[in-house]
Amino acid sequence: NAGVTQTPKFQVLKTGQSMTLQCAQDMNHEYMSWYRQDPGMGLRLIHYSVGAGITDQGEVPNGYNVSRSTTEDFPLRLLSAAPSQTSVYFCASSHQGYSTSGANVLTFGAGSRLTVL
Amino acid sequence: AQKITQTQPGMFVQEKEAVTLDCTYDTSDPSYGLFWYKQPSSGEMIFLIYQGSYDQQNATEGRYSLNFQKARKSANLVISASQLGDSAMYFCAMRDEESMEYGNKLVFGAGTILRVKS
Repeated sequence: NAGVTQTPKFQVLKTGQSMTLQCAQDMNHEYMSWYRQDPGMGLRLIHYSVGAGITDQGEVPNGYNVSRSTTEDFPLRLLSAAPSQTSVYFCASSHQGYSTSGANVLTFGAGSRLTVL
Repeated sequence: AQKITQTQPGMFVQEKEAVTLDCTYDTSDPSYGLFWYKQPSSGEMIFLIYQGSYDQQNATEGRYSLNFQKARKSANLVISASQLGDSAMYFCAMRDEESMEYGNKLVFGAGTILRVKS
């Protein structure tokens, strides 16, 4: 069971370049999300999706695009990278909706470290 | 809006001793969930423990327990019998349970770095 797989693990970009961070999960989770982690700020929600074809903005969506064409995949696109987007990015997934049986815990990928020069 | 505050940027604890990591929260939601995650130096996020706002008893998971004081809006993590492998960053997070149909959205604190000394 692979869980949540993120690629690439490391990436260096120049300002203005574009790239896509890939995220795939094999747990049949309806909910998927992207966070960025910056020192002293914890993790902040960028975009999320409650199912295929449905996406919405989180706390810090500017400069990022997402799409959800399948249940398994939720790529994060940077159209024109900026130094302020230097960060560690996490994809996380879970079943959707309230669970009476437990916490409905988010499962995180291993993270992608992005540096924009 | 929800807010999580972790006031301890860094903590030291002697091996085999207990340590408490502080977490206070602010929310107007009547139903919410509180989480603790561990992030070792390798970078992955590991779920530790969950407390629902209506749970009567404090949550426990092995050496981890959550000291939940609703009136004070605090959800401190207690790690008993610290081990060297407990050295990591620890994040407190919360979720509005009544908005779960709109997504499993967590709000995180800034984190506390714990170092266990031998």
